[in-house]
Amino acid sequence: AQTVTQSQPEMSVQEAETVTLSCTYDTSENNYYLFWYKQPPSRQMILVIRQEAYKQQNATENRFSVNFQKAAKSFSLKISDSQLGDTAMYFCAFIPGGKLIFGQGTELSVKP
Amino acid sequence: DGGITQSPKYLFRKEGQNVTLSCEQNLNHDAMYWYRQDPGQGLRLIYYSQIVNDFQKGDIAEGYSVSREKKESFPLTVTSAQKNPTAFYLCASSRSRRYGYTFGSGTRLTVV
Repeated sequence: AQTVTQSQPEMSVQEAETVTLSCTYDTSENNYYLFWYKQPPSRQMILVIRQEAYKQQNATENRFSVNFQKAAKSFSLKISDSQLGDTAMYFCAFIPGGKLIFGQGTELSVKP
Repeated sequence: DGGITQSPKYLFRKEGQNVTLSCEQNLNHDAMYWYRQDPGQGLRLIYYSQIVNDFQKGDIAEGYSVSREKKESFPLTVTSAQKNPTAFYLCASSRSRRYGYTFGSGTRLTVV
């Protein structure tokens, strides 16, 4: 089965600190794409960062970066210099075939 | 600006009624998707369409129906056969799995 697991239902971090959200996945495919989406209280799903499985270099988008470990099937998200606006639900997702498969989400609270 | 428009934002359904959720995109994407989101859960795929006049069932298609007569439009009908339709519904589209999905702002459906 192709699944995504986010083992941290809730996390909190102080403003300006760094936090890492964990994600593991399971697939027998060799070529796939991984994503982190953010869903703030408005419930709009926003793409934060993406990673192509055939690329060894970890993706970075401003304060957001990933640690992609293909052999371990791990895809964690690091948020540096956390801001109050980062408070949201974060979903890890991947596309092994034609459909995007989501994890259960991690609710992140950034505290002033 | 290009994007996905879902309407209405809030929808109330009486027991035994069918209701239709609208999803329109002007991104020229071939593929479109419908997801259901329940509290504390990730997104679950209801139906998807990769081309006009063709669509496939997702993981939880029972009690739902769709049509894809135009590239821009992918309406979802929640039928009276859906026993627990109260949820948040998200529509998405994609030009390529490499780029992930673009999401609409969602429709909150409540049974009254």
